[in-house]
Amino acid sequence: EIVLTQSPDFQSVTPKEKVTITCRASQSIGSSLHWYQQKPDQSPKLLIKYASQSFSGVPSRFSGSGSGTDFTLTINSLEAEDAATYYCHQSSSLPRTFGQGTKVEIK
Amino acid sequence: EVQLVESGGVVVQPGGSLRLSCAASGFTFDDYAMHWVRQAPGKGLEWVSLISWDGGSTYYADSVKGRFTISRDNSKNSLYLQMNSLRAEDTALYYCAKDSEVYGSGSYLHWGQGTLVTVSS
Repeated sequence: EIVLTQSPDFQSVTPKEKVTITCRASQSIGSSLHWYQQKPDQSPKLLIKYASQSFSGVPSRFSGSGSGTDFTLTINSLEAEDAATYYCHQSSSLPRTFGQGTKVEIK
Repeated sequence: EVQLVESGGVVVQPGGSLRLSCAASGFTFDDYAMHWVRQAPGKGLEWVSLISWDGGSTYYADSVKGRFTISRDNSKNSLYLQMNSLRAEDTALYYCAKDSEVYGSGSYLHWGQGTLVTVSS
């Protein structure tokens, strides 16, 4: 099983600050890494697919990078509405796995 | 508009059984693999099971293997999860999610709202 380890577990950030969340895979997964945002009492929402692919409807301040075992989700100029828990997820091998989540709080 | 609507979540005793359903609309159901993902109260996301577009391939997390069975009826645009020998640790909100690929190797752009399963005596 591929273990995804996110860091940090929690981050308290001031609006307009830059946020960086990392996800490390226990073995290489190529670019088969996706990022989701989940707000309280809501279903997860896909932000970035295949490590760095964004798509319409997701604000441009969200970006992803990385390949192999190390990946990063960046939120440029954090907004209040970005308060949420962020998860990485790999679709390279079975079982599919998620990171433990990173909670982002707005100061 | 893609819609996924789960149902079937209830309170059930340990050792009991339950079948969850997910009604899909707004897309060609048999073009995509489907998944079940669960979230225990206050916890993170846990992948549960995957079924390919035609139901020919199914996969499970070790935590549910041998107890849960995923299936689909493409004529009814529906996904199912038969849950047997339920345990307290199966208590969670169960989401169905649509894969972006036919065999389940993609991301999950669309999710349902979830259905709550509580295993308790």
